[in-house]
Amino acid sequence: AQSVTQLGSHVSVSEGALVLLRCNYSSSVPPYLFWYVQYPNQGLQLLLKYTTGATLVKGINGFEAEFKKSETSFHLTKPSAHMSDAAEYFCAVTESINTGTASKLTFGTGTRLQVTL
Amino acid sequence: NAGVMQNPRHLVRRRGQEARLRCSPMKGHSHVYWYRQLPEEGLKFMVYLQKENIIDESGMPKERFSAEFPKEGPSILRIQQVVRGDSAAYFCASSLQGNTNQPQHFGDGTRLSIL
Repeated sequence: AQSVTQLGSHVSVSEGALVLLRCNYSSSVPPYLFWYVQYPNQGLQLLLKYTTGATLVKGINGFEAEFKKSETSFHLTKPSAHMSDAAEYFCAVTESINTGTASKLTFGTGTRLQVTL
Repeated sequence: NAGVMQNPRHLVRRRGQEARLRCSPMKGHSHVYWYRQLPEEGLKFMVYLQKENIIDESGMPKERFSAEFPKEGPSILRIQQVVRGDSAAYFCASSLQGNTNQPQHFGDGTRLSIL
């Protein structure tokens, strides 16, 4: 069974400040991890993903995340927030073993990022 | 637009009516997933389909909900005899393959409101 916990349903930062959105996961097998962003009344857009290899992954719009197995974490960061980053962010996990059946994603409850002047 | 297309974007139904939600996957994608997002919650998996086959429906409610992905045409999520609790945003995603490292690409969703 898999699960995702996102600490902080709302995060507010000033424009230009560091963005840190937390994600912890639980998985019985090595996970594949994803961050998605959702703008109002839109679908989810993939920011970045971790499957194998380098544990620090870079995504679009200047975001990056680091997979830390020992901490079961996959926190999302961006050095300098921009007003256009205001949105809801979802962390998701899926199993790395291809069983030939479902590749369903298990999502966290989301973190709404507010960026202030 | 080569992305995942969902229609309608908004759907209003009265209790007891049927709701049909459509999803056309990205070009070349043969794997479709449906998720439901309740207010202030994350997305919950409902069903995973390939062409003409339901692969995993472990997230589907046992009654009133069904899904199909015919050989020709879009995938359909059908909700019979809708109730207020069905009000939610329903998202469709597609992927090129069923391997778990293939990213799922999402449509803009259908917002279902039950009067």
